This record gives sequence, C-alpha cells and structure tokens, in this order.
Amino acid sequence: KQEVTQIPAALSVPEGENLVLNCSFTDSAIYNLQWFRQDPGKGLTSLLLIQSSQREQTSGRLNASLDKSSGRSTLYIAASQPGDSATYLCAVKTDSSYKLIFGSGTRLLVRP
Amino acid sequence: DAGVIQSPRHEVTEMGQEVTLRCKPISGHDYLFWYRQTMMRGLELLIYFNNNVPIDDSGMPEDRFSAKMPNASFSTLKIQPSEPRDSAVYFCASSSLAKPLHFGNGTRLTVT
Repeated sequence: KQEVTQIPAALSVPEGENLVLNCSFTDSAIYNLQWFRQDPGKGLTSLLLIQSSQREQTSGRLNASLDKSSGRSTLYIAASQPGDSATYLCAVKTDSSYKLIFGSGTRLLVRP
Repeated sequence: DAGVIQSPRHEVTEMGQEVTLRCKPISGHDYLFWYRQTMMRGLELLIYFNNNVPIDDSGMPEDRFSAKMPNASFSTLKIQPSEPRDSAVYFCASSSLAKPLHFGNGTRLTVT
C-alpha cells in the first residue's frame, strides 16, 4: 500500500531564505507526483506536476525534483517571501486510476 | 474561468439531519472528485466520476454517503443521516486526463 510522508510537518524561515520541502513515498511505481499549496480556508492549488519519466519541473521560484528509485521528491523554493506562507502537500498517482495519495503536508511560515 | 464552485461554504447541522453538498466543475473537465479533509486523516478520496459515471466509490465511508452527477456541470454529495464524526471540510475537484487537479474552496461541515 502506497504511503506518502512529508517532513517536516512545520517550518519557519526568515524572508529571503532558500528552502527545501521533502516528500517520500513507499512504492516507486508511480505515474506522476504533484505538489499543491493550500492557504487557510481554501482549496488546494496545483503548483507542479512531474510525470514519472521526468526528473524535475520548474515554475518561477519553484523547482520540484523526482527520484523514483529512492522514493523521494523535493520542492525547492528560492528567495522565500511572506506570501509563500501556506501548507504544501505532495500527492502521488500510483496506477491507471485517478486516485491520488496525499501526504499530510508541511506548514510553512516565512517571517518578514 | 470561475474555477470549481462549491456550495455552501459552511454548513452547521444537527445529528440525524440530511446534508447535501454541491459542486460545479470547470467546464470541459471530464473528471470530478470528492475529497474529505480532517486533521486526523488528512485528505481522503471519497469518490470520483468520469463523464458523469461513478468510477470508484471505495472511499465512501458508509451507506449514509451517496454522490450523484446528473450532468457534466453539477454533482452532489449527500449524507443521510449525518453524524458528528462526519464533521470535516469536503472538497470537490475536477480535471481532464493527465492534467492537474483543480480544487474548489471546500464546504466546512459541522455536525452537532
């Protein structure tokens, strides 16, 4: 059974710092992996989608990497800003169905 | 594009009452998902539809839960009778094949 873990559960950094969020999964046979952002009282916003054949995806200050063999993905945020404060979740798609298995998220606070 | 629209945003009801949550997916999306989010269990997929047809309802917790999608622009999730343990945030999301999920802002359900 696929399990997705995100560490740390919470992270507080000063503005301007580069940071890395971690996501690990137990079954390397995945179709794709997505990173989402969730603001309080809101739904999830998709940030990056990495197909199983890809190693990384970039969008602006965000870069997500995928290492299937080790069951890991990282989300790198460059030059963090207070507006980046949110909960970040990763999710894996493990088969031809449309099920996504979500991690429990990392709550990020970027201090001004 | 108005995004995925859910109503109501908040619902407070008494145990035993029927609750109906509503969702309007993004036009053109042929997949629709209902998720439930709690602190204890995180995000759980309840059911998803493809072209208005339920594909996988294995996440629906009990027979008290039912979901319908009468047409491509509308879906409902019904709980009858509701119980305090059903209190959670319920999200609807829609997508097209191999594309990222788009979430609504959720319905916060409180059953007293």
